[in-house]
Amino acid sequence: DAGVTQSPTHLIKTRGQQVTLRCSPKSGHDTVSWYQQALGQGPQFIFQYYEEEERQRGNFPDRFSGHQFPNYSSELNVNALLLGDSALYLCASSRQVPEQYFGPGTRLTVT
Amino acid sequence: AQSVAQPEDQVNVAEGNPLTVKCTYSVSGNPYLFWYVQYPNRGLQFLLKYITGDNLVKGSYGFEAEFNKSQTSFHLKKPSALVSDSALYFCAVRDSSGGYNKLIFGAGTRLAVHP
Repeated sequence: DAGVTQSPTHLIKTRGQQVTLRCSPKSGHDTVSWYQQALGQGPQFIFQYYEEEERQRGNFPDRFSGHQFPNYSSELNVNALLLGDSALYLCASSRQVPEQYFGPGTRLTVT
Repeated sequence: AQSVAQPEDQVNVAEGNPLTVKCTYSVSGNPYLFWYVQYPNRGLQFLLKYITGDNLVKGSYGFEAEFNKSQTSFHLKKPSALVSDSALYFCAVRDSSGGYNKLIFGAGTRLAVHP
């Protein structure tokens, strides 16, 4: 049973550029959430997708956007990258249970 | 607003000794509480959860957690620590405001188990 997968593993971008991160949920899961984990901090909720709709959003600017596909996979897009966007981006999936299962993350470095 | 606090940045324990990693929470309504572990350069692994019922919850890898409503605490415990338990531990609470399910995490506690 494949767990949550994310790609790429690492990414280096320049300020002002745009980035797309990808996530495939655990088999059987239909809800995908994205979190940002800055160095030395706990994960912070970005947004959640269900049935291809964003249904909840955390305190992140509109530069952060996402998408969910019919197969439940998801993308996180960040426009106009800032140095402060450097972090580990975590995708988590769930289905009708309170706990969420996390992928290994994508480490984004903005220079 | 829902929140969790992990008062210790780091916990040091000798292998074979019992370990406790502390967590306190603030929620409106009944709390849904979780513990996750993060190894270097890895995502978060789910350890255990408290939803309702017995105050002592058993989870993966021999970990357990004790829910204490009067002290608003949810401490993670293990009777005998292993060097391989060394990792970053996060306590989380479910925030169901808006009708949906997101997790609010503490800042994390680094557990170091010494041989």
